[in-house]
Amino acid sequence: KQEVTQIPAALSVPEGENLVLNCSFTDSAIYNLQWFRQDPGKGLTSLLLIQSSQREQTSGRLNASLDKSSGRSTLYIAASQPGDSATYLCAVYGSNYKLTFGKGTLLTVNP
Amino acid sequence: DVKVTQSSRYLVKRTGEKVFLECVQDMDHENMFWYRQDPGLGLRLIYFSYDVKMKEKGDIPEGYSVSREKKERFSLILESASTNQTSMYLCASSFATLNPGSETQYFGPGTRLLVL
Repeated sequence: KQEVTQIPAALSVPEGENLVLNCSFTDSAIYNLQWFRQDPGKGLTSLLLIQSSQREQTSGRLNASLDKSSGRSTLYIAASQPGDSATYLCAVYGSNYKLTFGKGTLLTVNP
Repeated sequence: DVKVTQSSRYLVKRTGEKVFLECVQDMDHENMFWYRQDPGLGLRLIYFSYDVKMKEKGDIPEGYSVSREKKERFSLILESASTNQTSMYLCASSFATLNPGSETQYFGPGTRLLVL
């Protein structure tokens, strides 16, 4: 059974800092890995999708990498801003055609 | 822009009531999903549907049923609500594709359900 782990569970940084969120998964037979953002009490917004044949994806200040063989992904956020404060969720789309989510990293960026 | 809407943002129901949660998407997506999200447990898949009148059980279907009579609408039904079904319920939709994993899921804003 696929398991997705995110470390750390919570992170607090000063504005302007570069930061890395980590995600690991147990079954490397995946079609893609996705990073989502969730604001308090809201739904999820897709940030980046990395297909299994890709190594990384970039969108603005966000860069996500995927190492399928080791079961790891990182989300790099450059020059963090208070508006980046949210919960970041990692999810893998596996051979069972389902998304399996991690429990998320709660990010707080302090002004 | 893809829009996934859910009928209620907040809902309070009593134990034993029949509860309907409605989800509508406007992008002609084939796939629709219902998740629940609980602190410490993350998001868990309840049911999903690949087409009208089709449904598949997810990881935690017990106590729930679903209905998909039209492509754009996917309903989650709690036949007899219980307090352990107090949760945040999230609906999502996506395109079907021959390239598995090339399409993301688009989520609604969620319904926070409290069962007393």
